[in-house]
Amino acid sequence: QKEVEQNSGPLSVPEGAIASLNCTYSDRGSQSFFWYRQYSGKSPELIMFIYSNGDKEDGRFTAQLNKASQYVSLLIRDSQPSDSATYLCAFDSNYQLIWGAGTKLIIKP
Amino acid sequence: EAGVVQSPRYKIIEKKQPVAFWCNPISGHNTLYWYLQNLGQGPELLIRYENEEAVDDSQLPKDRFSAERLKGVDSTLKIQPAELGDSAVYLCASSPSGSVHNEQFFGPGTRLTVL
Repeated sequence: QKEVEQNSGPLSVPEGAIASLNCTYSDRGSQSFFWYRQYSGKSPELIMFIYSNGDKEDGRFTAQLNKASQYVSLLIRDSQPSDSATYLCAFDSNYQLIWGAGTKLIIKP
Repeated sequence: EAGVVQSPRYKIIEKKQPVAFWCNPISGHNTLYWYLQNLGQGPELLIRYENEEAVDDSQLPKDRFSAERLKGVDSTLKIQPAELGDSAVYLCASSPSGSVHNEQFFGPGTRLTVL
């Protein structure tokens, strides 16, 4: 069964620090990997996706992919209280997204 | 560009009653998904449409759930009869036509409470 593993948290990070969120996945054939942010009571919002090994940067966010280790991470630089949310990792498998349960991130002022 | 639209936002019904949810995807997005999400979990796919064709409904409980997308644009998901365990958030998402990476964009969801 295809799975995504994420630490449920909560992960508590001081404001201004780097938040590091991690995710492992089971399907070696996966090509595309996604990070979504979900505020409490809201729907998931796409932050970024990555499909090549290495880093992909978008503003304060950097996604890192290591296909050999089946590992994807999200770094949030200069963390702000507004970054407090649940971060969901997902990978694409035959046009279906396989989702993790999410990591709850708390940014402390 | 308008996002994915869903209605209603909230619905409270008694068990054994029918309920329907409506979704209008982002303009030009031919792929439409219905998910349910329980608290503390990731979304679970119910059905995927390519235009008006349901191409993956393997996880749709067909004894009580049905869906349609007659003209390949908006879609309706129905539950009849509803059970207590159906209480969840029902999410609709759409994906750009010809997308290689299957990035999906979600509507606000419908929070269903079955009493």
